[in-house]
Amino acid sequence: QQQVKQSPQSLIVQKGGIPIINCAYENTAFDYFPWYQQFPGKGPALLIAIRPDVSEKKEGRFTISFNKSAKQFSLHIMDSQPGDSATYFCAASFSGGYNKLIFGAGTRLAVHP
Amino acid sequence: NAGVTQTPKFQVLKTGQSMTLQCAQDMNHEYMSWYRQDPGMGLRLIHYSVGAGITDQGEVPNGYNVSRSTTEDFPLRLLSAAPSQTSVYFCASSSRRGSGNEQFFGPGTRLTVL
Repeated sequence: QQQVKQSPQSLIVQKGGIPIINCAYENTAFDYFPWYQQFPGKGPALLIAIRPDVSEKKEGRFTISFNKSAKQFSLHIMDSQPGDSATYFCAASFSGGYNKLIFGAGTRLAVHP
Repeated sequence: NAGVTQTPKFQVLKTGQSMTLQCAQDMNHEYMSWYRQDPGMGLRLIHYSVGAGITDQGEVPNGYNVSRSTTEDFPLRLLSAAPSQTSVYFCASSSRRGSGNEQFFGPGTRLTVL
């Protein structure tokens, strides 16, 4: 049973647009929510992460919004650029020690010039 | 630091053949994991290790074996390859220090089983 549901599967935006990728989780005990970015032919790399004690976190043009009551979190990319074209994965886990990351299915983003 | 390295990058096997996917990290990380990535399914955990000599099963362990004799290396063995094991395989490592959550991924091995 998929514990982290991600949408949409794919997304196309124009340069400068603000793509939004959404994720929903089931286990209320999760307390670590990262986003990973993957370019073709490469392994995923951590982009930004949030813990449930805050509702928003920004790092450069990337923002995570977190809604604990709805069990949802989303990634916003401000002023998107063609170089942001990649696959994005949300994930959830427990913090501390080794804890299994549960990944969403991924969103393939294309930013057109 | 090279980070997490994986070999080979590509491999084609016939059904029933065996092989070992190699993974090494030079960051002195305690934790190492193997994932498979399939279209529309994200990354799924196969096996993981919290230290040398300690391994455990993830979400999709059937058909795969692992061992961890050193901190640096975490090979994944396919004993009798099946077409259902056609996938891209990623090895990852993470540190016990701090939150221990950020996983560093290798470049992947693309495996095709005919």
